[in-house]
Amino acid sequence: SQQGEEDPQALSIQEGENATMNCSYKTSINNLQWYRQNSGRGLVHLILIRSNEREKHSGRLRVTLDTSKKSSSLLITASRAADTASYFCATAGVGRLTFGEGTQLTVNP
Amino acid sequence: DVKVTQSSRYLVKRTGEKVFLECVQDMDHENMFWYRQDPGLGLRLIYFSYDVKMKEKGDIPEGYSVSREKKERFSLILESASTNQTSMYLCASSDWAGFESNQPQHFGDGTRLSIL
Repeated sequence: SQQGEEDPQALSIQEGENATMNCSYKTSINNLQWYRQNSGRGLVHLILIRSNEREKHSGRLRVTLDTSKKSSSLLITASRAADTASYFCATAGVGRLTFGEGTQLTVNP
Repeated sequence: DVKVTQSSRYLVKRTGEKVFLECVQDMDHENMFWYRQDPGLGLRLIYFSYDVKMKEKGDIPEGYSVSREKKERFSLILESASTNQTSMYLCASSDWAGFESNQPQHFGDGTRLSIL
């Protein structure tokens, strides 16, 4: 089964609102990564958080990691229509990543 | 910027054909990966490679093989295509930083393969 599971599966918000996506996983990890996928395109790496880090920021993105609960969250602040995409968490084990099924985010203008 | 190029965006083949999907990266990355992506199943790893002529099975290698004769090129081969291999195929590459440190992966735009 997949290592990471995103929640919710789909999220629809208005432009300017914040979007929060969650990821849970089962086993120990080296790091956790978030990716975005626009429709019909490949995945684009957004941010990497190491297992000894609790929070990381990149522009409008904020990622938290709680290794005791085996969970992570991705917050996108002040969302824009261009943020509409699928978002995936990927857990890093030995030599490979394991992806969840993704959250489909729709930002309405 | 890293560029990962997949040879075709769309491909239609017939059942039983031998199908080659090609992937080339231009950043001298050691690691290369092949995934398939299906609705409701997310990305599943088929094969990956740490170096030239090396390959490792992923989660769903059955019905597939790979070839890595040059560092920049990683080919996925469907030995005898079947309809259940209709899918989006994604290639990715990353730097090597040891087994315990997974670097970000850079993806191509995918090949949407239909097997009729």
